[in-house]
Amino acid sequence: GESVGLHLPTLSVQEGDNSIINCAYSNSASDYFIWYKQESGKGPQFIIDIRSNMDKRQGQRVTVLLNKTVKHLSLQIAATQPGDSAVYFCAESKGTYKYIFGTGTRLKVLA
Amino acid sequence: DAGVTQSPTHLIKTRGQQVTLRCSPKSGHDTVSWYQQALGQGPQFIFQYYEEEERQRGNFPDRFSGHQFPNYSSELNVNALLLGDSALYLCASSLVAGGRTGELFFGEGSRLTVL
Repeated sequence: GESVGLHLPTLSVQEGDNSIINCAYSNSASDYFIWYKQESGKGPQFIIDIRSNMDKRQGQRVTVLLNKTVKHLSLQIAATQPGDSAVYFCAESKGTYKYIFGTGTRLKVLA
Repeated sequence: DAGVTQSPTHLIKTRGQQVTLRCSPKSGHDTVSWYQQALGQGPQFIFQYYEEEERQRGNFPDRFSGHQFPNYSSELNVNALLLGDSALYLCASSLVAGGRTGELFFGEGSRLTVL
């Protein structure tokens, strides 16, 4: 069946360092991927997306990499800040109306 | 420009009761999706409404039902509540283009506790 999972449930990084959050997906037919950030007590917030015809996409301080060969997705955050502390979810879609979310990775930024 | 708004923010019910959650989409959006997020888990798709009809449904029993109104707002109803229905219920609005859902804009959620 379809599933999206994450390798690490919790990631701790020093302020100013780069963060890398990983995600594995099982449906090779998925063609659209999104990263969401969820702060405590709030709804998920869109960070960046990527379509399957791309390998890399950059935003402000964030980069998403897609490796279709091994069905792997990653989110890189440059110069991690305290405000980046949150739970990060990857989600996949395959030409449908629903998104399948992973369990999430908690990012802790250490001062 | 108001984003997605949900009500109530918190509520407590007992087993067997019924609950109705409400959602107003972001201005200009015509599609509403509902997700259930259990503690420590990612959101799980319940269903999506477009043009007042349920377009797609996830793996949830018929106890979960919904409705979309002409102004695009939506309700989620859950009957015969079970303890396992305790979760954060998220509403997300979007525009459908090219036969697929675009970026989802989420509300803050309604936290349901079933005792």
